[in-house]
Amino acid sequence: GEDVEQSLFLSVREGDSSVINCTYTDSSSTYLYWYKQEPGAGLQLLTYIFSNMDMKQDQRLTVLLNKKDKHLSLRIADTQTGDSAIYFCAEKVTSGTYKYIFGTGTRLKVLA
Amino acid sequence: EPEVTQTPSHQVTQMGQEVILRCVPISNHLYFYWYRQILGQKVEFLVSFYNNEISEKSEIFDDQFSVERPDGSNFTLKIRSTKLEDSAMYFCASSVGTGETIYFGEGSWLTVV
Repeated sequence: GEDVEQSLFLSVREGDSSVINCTYTDSSSTYLYWYKQEPGAGLQLLTYIFSNMDMKQDQRLTVLLNKKDKHLSLRIADTQTGDSAIYFCAEKVTSGTYKYIFGTGTRLKVLA
Repeated sequence: EPEVTQTPSHQVTQMGQEVILRCVPISNHLYFYWYRQILGQKVEFLVSFYNNEISEKSEIFDDQFSVERPDGSNFTLKIRSTKLEDSAMYFCASSVGTGETIYFGEGSWLTVV
């Protein structure tokens, strides 16, 4: 079945780069997304990548997609304390209607 | 920037009580969704809704759940007889079209005691 997996925790020092990884199973995914969730808050769409792309850059964010290995990563350059949050990877799948399958979320902690 | 709004942000209810969670999707969006996130777990799809009917629902969305678009702007999720395990954050979402990006609300945190 459809599944998305992420590592649970990541800790980095302020100013360093963070790389959050995600693997997914559905090869028919058309779009893959990264959402950010701050404590007690909703899901904020950060960025997304179409499945025929290898890379997408958006300011401090770089998304890399390896479709062969079904591996997605989010790199945050110059990580700041305000980047501390849970980051969810999600794939858009078609089974009936389109829906998103979310990963477990990676809790990023940025140390000052 | 248009956004999906949800009320209440937090509700505490007794087991067995009915709960209605409300959502106002983005105004030109046609597809509406509910997802939920039990504390510490994944965000899970519950139901999608289009043209005043359910398009798809997950196994979680059993007979105690229902959705409705009672007027032109609100989209509601009703839980008929809440159970302890219904305690979760419930996210409403909407999209312009079925293949378009889904935008989520801030969530309604439901605590069943």
